[in-house]
Amino acid sequence: EAGVAQSPRYKIIEKRQSVAFWCNPISGHATLYWYQQILGQGPKLLIQFQNNGVVDDSQLPKDRFSAERLKGVDSTLKIQPAKLEDSAVYLCASSLRVGREGTGTEAFFGQGTRLTVV
Amino acid sequence: DAKTTQPNSMESNEEEPVHLPCNHSTISGTDYIHWYRQLPSQGPEYVIHGLTSNVNNRMASLAIAEDRKSSTLILHRATLRDAAVYYCILRDPNTNAGKSTFGDGTTLTVKP
Repeated sequence: EAGVAQSPRYKIIEKRQSVAFWCNPISGHATLYWYQQILGQGPKLLIQFQNNGVVDDSQLPKDRFSAERLKGVDSTLKIQPAKLEDSAVYLCASSLRVGREGTGTEAFFGQGTRLTVV
Repeated sequence: DAKTTQPNSMESNEEEPVHLPCNHSTISGTDYIHWYRQLPSQGPEYVIHGLTSNVNNRMASLAIAEDRKSSTLILHRATLRDAAVYYCILRDPNTNAGKSTFGDGTTLTVKP
C-alpha cells in the first residue's frame, strides 16, 4: 500500500515570497490533515478535511495560509506571504475515517516538507 | 483539549524493556489514548491506542490505569530502531474526531 506522498521535500524561500505544498493521501482515505511542526516541538494541526469539506481550520492563520482539497483527494497548502516564523516542517496525514473509534481512525503521515524562510 | 504530560527524555539499553509514561489527569470518559512515534526526519507513525483495557499489538503494549488518568507504553525489547520521539495523545471521536493534539513528547534514546 502506497503511503502519503508529499512534495517538495525541501524548500527555501525569502520572506514575503509565496510557497505551495502538495499532498496525495492514501487511496480511499476520506480524512486529510495538514500539520505544522516547528523544530523541537510536536506537530500542530492547521486544518482538517473530511472528503473535500473543511472540518477544522481553527489554528490556520487565514491571513496568509490557505488550503484546498479538490475532488476529495489531493490537497495543497499555500503560504502567501511567508514570514520567518513559518520556517517549519509541514506534514500531511490521512486516515480512512473519523468518528466512531476503532480500526481505520489512525492517521498515516507523509515525510513532510521542510520549509526554510530566509 | 485535554492535556497530556510526558517526561522530556528517557534512556534505555538495547534489548531491554522500556516503559514510557503519560499522565492525563483531565481525561474525559470518551477520550481514547493514542500513541505515535516519530523517527528522525520522518513523519509520526501510529503505534497503538486504547480506551480502558490494556492493548497489545506487534509494535507495543499499552497499559491503562484503572482510573484512566495515566497510561504506559511498553516496548518489550528495545532496539536501536526504536530511538524516536514518542507522543501520547487524547482523542475524542465525538467532538474533535480525528484531531490529534500533540505535546512535545518523550525522546527515547536506546544505547547499544
